[in-house]
Amino acid sequence: SQTIHQWPATLVQPVGSPLSLECTVEGTSNPNLYWYRQAAGRGLQLLFYSVGIGQISSEVPQNLSASRPQDRQFILSSKKLLLSDSGFYLCAWSWGGGSPLHFGNGTRLTVT
Amino acid sequence: EDKVVQSPLSLVVHEGDTVTLNCSYEVTNFRSLLWYKQEKKAPTFLFMLTSSGIEKKSGRLSSILDKKELFSILNITATQTGDSAIYLCAVYDDYKLSFGAGTTVTVRA
Repeated sequence: SQTIHQWPATLVQPVGSPLSLECTVEGTSNPNLYWYRQAAGRGLQLLFYSVGIGQISSEVPQNLSASRPQDRQFILSSKKLLLSDSGFYLCAWSWGGGSPLHFGNGTRLTVT
Repeated sequence: EDKVVQSPLSLVVHEGDTVTLNCSYEVTNFRSLLWYKQEKKAPTFLFMLTSSGIEKKSGRLSSILDKKELFSILNITATQTGDSAIYLCAVYDDYKLSFGAGTTVTVRA
């Protein structure tokens, strides 16, 4: 069966510091991978998605970036965090073709 | 730009009540509409709908899609306190899954 791992679960970072969130999927190959952000009391905002290694589509212009160095690894990064980057970050995978996304447990990021 | 709109934004009901949640959408290349339940952390998948008029059912939850009018509803009958959650509607446009803002359901004992 497939599993998705996302870490860390919580993170407190000062403004201006770098960020690296990692997500890995087990039990499948060539999944579509996604990063979403959820602000308090809000829906999920799509940040990045990837349909293959090295292929990244960005949905929202901002100071975040994503990379997919391996088939089942998806990394969300920032060189300098802003206060507005605080939120709940969710990684997800799917088979593609309109199939359901399966989410990791998320990272709650607080930028102070 | 894709748009997924859910209503109401929140509601409070008592145990045993029936709840109807609404989701309307506008996307360029529709593939499917999905419903998720979110409690504390990750959203969990409820239903995927691709065809109009075919009801999907799981226990006390059911959902239906109208592709002509571009909306879906999620029904919860005989609500229980464990149904308290945020219910999210999402629509696929090719590879991209866009979510609505969600409906927060609170079920009081």
